[in-house]
Amino acid sequence: SQKIEQNSEALNIQEGKTATLTCNYTNYSPAYLQWYRQDPGRGPVFLLLIRENEKEKRKERLKVTFDTTLKQSLFHITASQPADSATYLCASINTGTASKLTFGTGTRLQVTL
Amino acid sequence: EPEVTQTPSHQVTQMGQEVILRCVPISNHLYFYWYRQILGQKVEFLVSFYNNEISEKSEIFDDQFSVERPDGSNFTLKIRSTKLEDSAMYFCATVTGDHSGANVLTFGAGSRLTVL
Repeated sequence: SQKIEQNSEALNIQEGKTATLTCNYTNYSPAYLQWYRQDPGRGPVFLLLIRENEKEKRKERLKVTFDTTLKQSLFHITASQPADSATYLCASINTGTASKLTFGTGTRLQVTL
Repeated sequence: EPEVTQTPSHQVTQMGQEVILRCVPISNHLYFYWYRQILGQKVEFLVSFYNNEISEKSEIFDDQFSVERPDGSNFTLKIRSTKLEDSAMYFCATVTGDHSGANVLTFGAGSRLTVL
């Protein structure tokens, strides 16, 4: 079955370092991947989208890569700040569906001083 | 940025009762979604709604669930007879139409449902 998976273990890093989060997908080839941020008790907020023909996308301190050979997307936050602490979700549309955006479990990032 | 507004923010109900969760999506948007998130778990797709019809639904969205757009602006999710396992955060979302056909979603703040 088609799966989108993220490391469910929390990632703890020090302020100023680069955080790297991983999203892997299996048994399908998404046309694009999306990354969202979710704070406790709030809805997800869209951050970035990367298409299958794009290797890399940037927005301020955020960078996303898409490797169709490894079936993986990496999400980087450079010069991380405590305010970046949140859960980060990747999402994609499964093959054979038109509108169903499926989310990974999310990876919780904790940035400490 | 325009918001997706959900009410109530929190509802407590007894098992077996009917619950209606409401959403006011961004105006002029036609594609709506309901998702749920059980505490500590992933955001799960329930249903998508386009042009006043269900577009897709998940296996979670059984006969106990229904969606409506009763008056052209509000978008509701009804759970007919709530079960304990329906306790979750329910999110409404609409498609933000500025990503060349990609279904980028704008979510509401959610309605927390607690079934006792």
